[in-house]
Amino acid sequence: GEDVEQSLFLSVREGDSSVINCTYTDSSSTYLYWYKQEPGAGLQLLTYIFSNMDMKQDQRLTVLLNKKDKHLSLRIADTQTGDSAIYFCAEEAGRRALTFGSGTRLQVQP
Amino acid sequence: EAGVTQSPTHLIKTRGQQATLRCSPISGHTSVYWYQQALGLGLQFLLWYDEGEERNRGNFPPRFSGRQFPNYSSELNVNALELEDSALYLCASSKGQAYNEQFFGPGTRLTVL
Repeated sequence: GEDVEQSLFLSVREGDSSVINCTYTDSSSTYLYWYKQEPGAGLQLLTYIFSNMDMKQDQRLTVLLNKKDKHLSLRIADTQTGDSAIYFCAEEAGRRALTFGSGTRLQVQP
Repeated sequence: EAGVTQSPTHLIKTRGQQATLRCSPISGHTSVYWYQQALGLGLQFLLWYDEGEERNRGNFPPRFSGRQFPNYSSELNVNALELEDSALYLCASSKGQAYNEQFFGPGTRLTVL
């Protein structure tokens, strides 16, 4: 079955880079996503990567995909206090049903 | 451009009652998705509607049902409510079957007493 795992917590200092990691089990995943959830808010789509790509960069965000190891990471450059939130990785193995990880809480220290 | 909207924001029901949750997709989007975010269980896929038809269903009992209207808005109905149905219910929309990006609304917090 599908399973997506993330570490629960990450703390970084403002200005540093943050790296949030995710592993997934379904090798048929077509798209992999990163979402951000701030307190009291819904999920905000940050970026996604197609499974035939290794890397995608979007301003401060860099997504790396290691398909062999089924490992996905999100790097946030120059992390700001406004980046404090819960980050979810999700995979889609077809028919638009996303399977989410449990989320990584990013705390940015000033 | 307005995002996905959901109503009500909060809903309190008692066991055995029925709950109806509503979702309006982003203008121009034809697909609507429902997810449940329960404590300890994380986010789980419930339903996908596109062009008025149910296209996919997650591993939930039949008392979870829904529909999509001609204007692409959607309702999620939960019958015979149980305590464990207490959760945040998130709706998302996308441009259609060929588009993978799902944009989420703020959710409806359902509390079952």
